[in-house]
Amino acid sequence: DAKTTQPPSMDCAEGRAANLPCNHSTISGNEYVYWYRQIHSQGPQYIIHGLKNNETNEMASLIITEDRKSSTLILPHATLRDTAVYYCIVRVYSGYSTLTFGKGTMLLVSP
Amino acid sequence: GAGVSQSPSNKVTEKGKDVELRCDPISGHTALYWYRQRLGQGLEFLIYFQGNSAPDKSGLPSDRFSAERTGESVSTLTIQRTQQEDSAVYLCASSSPQLGGGELFFGEGSRLTVL
Repeated sequence: DAKTTQPPSMDCAEGRAANLPCNHSTISGNEYVYWYRQIHSQGPQYIIHGLKNNETNEMASLIITEDRKSSTLILPHATLRDTAVYYCIVRVYSGYSTLTFGKGTMLLVSP
Repeated sequence: GAGVSQSPSNKVTEKGKDVELRCDPISGHTALYWYRQRLGQGLEFLIYFQGNSAPDKSGLPSDRFSAERTGESVSTLTIQRTQQEDSAVYLCASSSPQLGGGELFFGEGSRLTVL
């Protein structure tokens, strides 16, 4: 699986949009971008995934650049409960391929 | 239940004892994963099951670690002769091929403390 690079930490004010970047310059054509988050003392939680089109669900939006070398996870109105470590992972969609979690980005949402 | 269930949630044991950690995946999920997370560290992959076979055991740190799975159901992770460095949260996750296999549902973990 392609390697990803994320900033170690970010801050965001409550109610504002949180934009979390991820670089994956060596991504292959059949690899998807997955985002997970881990709130303190809990198991990781799946957020969203995409291949090349922008995706949106009830939790977040995923913007993938046209060359697919980077992406941004957007939490449109961050709340204190969104404070967590966010992981960007690239992986082939089907078949067996374990998810390899890197260090992620620690997002701190403040009042 | 609706989610992945792990037990015990907390386990304190003495060095040298054996421990068993249990994972009940979501019904119908054929894939099951075990990860380990030491305090303040990232997730380390341990083992992957597809059905009751384990095609990838590459993450098991030593022969003191073993895991089995009954059919497409419960899995048990066993650590023999525990050491202090085994102290960690052990996380189980399951997934369905219908979702492409990349959407993993994690349990809350079993926190193991070896004294």
